[in-house]
Amino acid sequence: AQSVTQPDIHITVSEGASLELRCNYSYGATPYLFWYVQSPGQGLQLLLKYFSGDTLVQGIKGFEAEFKRSQSSFNLRKPSVHWSDAAEYFCAVALLTNRDDKIIFGKGTRLHILP
Amino acid sequence: DVKVTQSSRYLVKRTGEKVFLECVQDMDHENMFWYRQDPGLGLRLIYFSYDVKMKEKGDIPEGYSVSREKKERFSLILESASTNQTSMYLCASSPLPSSSYEQYFGPGTRLTVT
Repeated sequence: AQSVTQPDIHITVSEGASLELRCNYSYGATPYLFWYVQSPGQGLQLLLKYFSGDTLVQGIKGFEAEFKRSQSSFNLRKPSVHWSDAAEYFCAVALLTNRDDKIIFGKGTRLHILP
Repeated sequence: DVKVTQSSRYLVKRTGEKVFLECVQDMDHENMFWYRQDPGLGLRLIYFSYDVKMKEKGDIPEGYSVSREKKERFSLILESASTNQTSMYLCASSPLPSSSYEQYFGPGTRLTVT
């Protein structure tokens, strides 16, 4: 069955440090991939998406993600985090088969920022 | 600017009450979704709709029903609320096909059933 795994439930980094959030998926074909961010008390906002082409994708707020087919991964990165990046981050995989046309979300990684 | 609005940010209901959660989008999207979000479980799809009067069960439809009488409005109904339905409820919309487009989310309704 298709699945999305975010192995880290919580991550803590210092302000100004680099960040990498991991995402692995299980899907037979090349999926469409998304990263969303949820600030406290808010809905989800799209950070970036990958459909095809260049495997390094740039998003909003200085984030980027790299699709690695061989590792079935789509990790999110930021070179220098800001206190305002403290939020929960969700990786998502879109399915498009004869039976399904929906998005599966990972369980999320909560990012804490140390001053 | 695209917008998905939900009727309440916070709601407190008693066990056994009938609860209506309303969602409205102004983007003329075909697809609309209802999720619940619980700590450690992420987002779980309750129901979705790809057209007026159409509905499809998601992963956890038990205890819920939905209504879509107009394209812009998608309602989630708890026929008889129970304490295990205390959760954050998120509405989202997207164009068709849903797998090819990002979903736009409302701010959420935090429902407490006592």
